[in-house]
Amino acid sequence: DAGVIQSPRHEVTEMGQEVTLRCKPISGHDYLFWYRQTMMRGLELLIYFNNNVPIDDSGMPEDRFSAKMPNASFSTLKIQPSEPRDSAVYFCASSLTPKNNEQFFGPGTRLTVL
Amino acid sequence: GENVEQHPSTLSVQEGDSAVIKCTYSDSASNYFPWYKQELGKRPQLIIDIRSNVGEKKDQRIAVTLNKTAKHFSLHITETQPEDSAVYFCAARGGRALTFGSGTRLQVQP
Repeated sequence: DAGVIQSPRHEVTEMGQEVTLRCKPISGHDYLFWYRQTMMRGLELLIYFNNNVPIDDSGMPEDRFSAKMPNASFSTLKIQPSEPRDSAVYFCASSLTPKNNEQFFGPGTRLTVL
Repeated sequence: GENVEQHPSTLSVQEGDSAVIKCTYSDSASNYFPWYKQELGKRPQLIIDIRSNVGEKKDQRIAVTLNKTAKHFSLHITETQPEDSAVYFCAARGGRALTFGSGTRLQVQP
């Protein structure tokens, strides 16, 4: 398996633009997580899905952020409109059911909002 | 929800010395405690984990201890090497998601 796949790896955009980050989890994993990493706030959980259903989105900063998982092999995190304070590395991770707890992280998307 | 505190935020040791990183958690229902290593510009990767029914686990130069009563767990790295230099994150799982500590930047001086 290729592991968790994220695209794009780097994204530079201007304030006010829409940004869409993409994630393909490891095949067979039931759980998918979106994290944001910054120097100031560390690794923050934004939202996670179980079997394509959002379970907890309490970490989503505000209404500008939305996430979807239309099928078991694809998820998106969208920011509209983007702001400079959204600049961060966004990681997607996946895991099997809770009995198999290891979360496998993707390579991350480095987002810069100018 | 769960709250995880991690100390120290930075740690510098000489090659060959030991390094210890400590974490505390708040949710007594947490039952899974992984440690992740993140090298510069890379993704976090699991290096060792421990479940609440175990007090200690060792894997070569890395060991983790868990004190459920005090709600703290620690990472021990012995005979440190320059390639151990990275940011280390502890985490605790109270529900289905992990809560991460703030990270420790370990620098091993040759």
